[in-house]
Amino acid sequence: AQSVTQPDIHITVSEGASLELRCNYSYGATPYLFWYVQSPGQGLQLLLKYFSGDTLVQGIKGFEAEFKRSQSSFNLRKPSVHWSDAAEYFCAVGKGAGGTSYGKLTFGQGTILTVHP
Amino acid sequence: DVKVTQSSRYLVKRTGEKVFLECVQDMDHENMFWYRQDPGLGLRLIYFSYDVKMKEKGDIPEGYSVSREKKERFSLILESASTNQTSMYLCASSLLGDRTNTEAFFGQGTRLTVV
Repeated sequence: AQSVTQPDIHITVSEGASLELRCNYSYGATPYLFWYVQSPGQGLQLLLKYFSGDTLVQGIKGFEAEFKRSQSSFNLRKPSVHWSDAAEYFCAVGKGAGGTSYGKLTFGQGTILTVHP
Repeated sequence: DVKVTQSSRYLVKRTGEKVFLECVQDMDHENMFWYRQDPGLGLRLIYFSYDVKMKEKGDIPEGYSVSREKKERFSLILESASTNQTSMYLCASSLLGDRTNTEAFFGQGTRLTVV
């Protein structure tokens, strides 16, 4: 069965500092991988996704993520964090075994990001 | 702008009540999902539907059922609400197609409290 682990429950950074959120997955085939962000009281918004090709993926709001198959990782990065980035971040892996499986996601536990001024 | 709308943001129900959570999407998506979100557990899939009247169990279907009579609407039903079903419920939809279209769009969530 597929699974996703986000080792850090809570991360605190200063505004302007760099950020890396960790994500490790377990999946038997080539995964699709996603990062979502949830601001307080809001639904989830897609930041970026990886299906194939270039292992460095660019997303919205200045975020990027790198797929490393050898490490089963898909870490999210941002070079300079803004106060508005404070939110909860979810890594997810998607199934792709057939048409009706597309879109079913397994999520990690989430990482809460706090940004200090 | 794509939209997934959940009928209630907050809901308080009594133990034993039958509860309906409604979700509507306006993107003509084939796939619709119900997830439950709990602190420290992330989101867990309850049920999934890829077509009208079609449904599949997710990872935690016990105590829940679903209904999809129209393509745009997907309902989650708690047959007899219990306090351990107090949670945030998120609806999502996505296209049925090649995997590059598997982005799921989420509603704002319904925070259900069972007392």
